[in-house]
Amino acid sequence: DAGVIQSPRHEVTEMGQEVTLRCKPISGHNSLFWYRQTMMRGLELLIYFNNNVPIDDSGMPEDRFSAKMPNASFSTLKIQPSEPRDSAVYFCASSFGSNHNEQFFGPGTRLTVL
Amino acid sequence: AQSVTQLDSHVSVSEGTPVLLRCNYSSSYSPSLFWYVQHPNKGLQLLLKYTSAATLVKGINGFEAEFKKSETSFHLTKPSAHMSDAAEYFCVVSEGTYKYIFGTGTRLKVLA
Repeated sequence: DAGVIQSPRHEVTEMGQEVTLRCKPISGHNSLFWYRQTMMRGLELLIYFNNNVPIDDSGMPEDRFSAKMPNASFSTLKIQPSEPRDSAVYFCASSFGSNHNEQFFGPGTRLTVL
Repeated sequence: AQSVTQLDSHVSVSEGTPVLLRCNYSSSYSPSLFWYVQHPNKGLQLLLKYTSAATLVKGINGFEAEFKKSETSFHLTKPSAHMSDAAEYFCVVSEGTYKYIFGTGTRLKVLA
């Protein structure tokens, strides 16, 4: 099993540009999570999908952030326009079911906004 | 409300000596508890999990943790540290929903 796949692994962009992060969950998993990790705030849940439907997006910082899951094998997190304070590592995780079940994390995308 | 406290932000041990990473939790219900490890520039990897079965949980790479309800603790231990154990470790609590509550992490340093 290839695990959770994220792309790109590193992204450097300028303030104001659109950024799209991509995630392929583990085949058969029906829950998908996007997290952001920073030194100041640690790991934060941004959004949670179950069966491709967004269930909880209360962690999405503001309207500049959006996430989609058009099918069971692909999700995107978009930031438009990006700002320097968005610089962080963004993780995608997936699980089978959600309650009590372990989440499998991807390698992350390190985003730097100049 | 659920919460988790990792009591040490940094721990240093010598190679071959025991490791103890401390975690206390607060939960109104029967929680699930997890320990994850994050090596530099990598994602989080599950070490072990407790979900109301045996209170002593064995994980990968020789790690284990004991769930102590009376002390609301879930400390992570390993009898003998290896250089490859140097990483950041996260204690996580979940009250049976999709939400993970992460601790702030403990950075483990292993000295040669």
